[in-house]
Amino acid sequence: SQTIHQWPATLVQPVGSPLSLECTVEGTSNPNLYWYRQAAGRGLQLLFYSVGIGQISSEVPQNLSASRPQDRQFILSSKKLLLSDSGFYLCAWSPGISNQPQHFGDGTRLSIL
Amino acid sequence: AQTVTQSQPEMSVQEAETVTLSCTYDTSENNYYLFWYKQPPSRQMILVIRQEAYKQQNATENRFSVNFQKAAKSFSLKISDSQLGDTAMYFCAFMSYTGTASKLTFGTGTRLQVTL
Repeated sequence: SQTIHQWPATLVQPVGSPLSLECTVEGTSNPNLYWYRQAAGRGLQLLFYSVGIGQISSEVPQNLSASRPQDRQFILSSKKLLLSDSGFYLCAWSPGISNQPQHFGDGTRLSIL
Repeated sequence: AQTVTQSQPEMSVQEAETVTLSCTYDTSENNYYLFWYKQPPSRQMILVIRQEAYKQQNATENRFSVNFQKAAKSFSLKISDSQLGDTAMYFCAFMSYTGTASKLTFGTGTRLQVTL
């Protein structure tokens, strides 16, 4: 069966520091991968998605970037964090070239001080 | 662009009772998918039920069922025999499929509290 791992679970970072959140999927090949952000009391906002290695699509302009160095690895990064980057970040995957629903990781709670 | 609206920020239901969560959406597409996700206090997003727009029959998963009204662009979730473990945020989501990747648009959620 497929599993998705996301880490760290919780992160506290100072303003201006770099960020790296990692997400990996097991048990499948060529998945579509997604990064979402959930602000407090809000729904999820799609930040990035990827349909293959090195292929990144950005949905909203922001202080963050994403990379996909391997087929089942998706990384969310920032060079300098802002206070507004605080939130709950969720990684998700879906089978490639399909209309199947997305399945989510456990999320990372990011607090910027 | 698609929009998803959940007009009930919070709802409460007694254990063993039935509750219906509302969702409306706006789209110009004809082929799409709709989902309900559940997010308990643990924060994990869990798929509850899905509905294909081309299917007229309403989806059902055990105690969960939907009332899909395509012309009205309405997609409500009914939870029967509510249990304490159903306490969570419930998100309605619209999925368009570009042929290479599926994109989900979420509503703002309904917080459901199941009480004794």
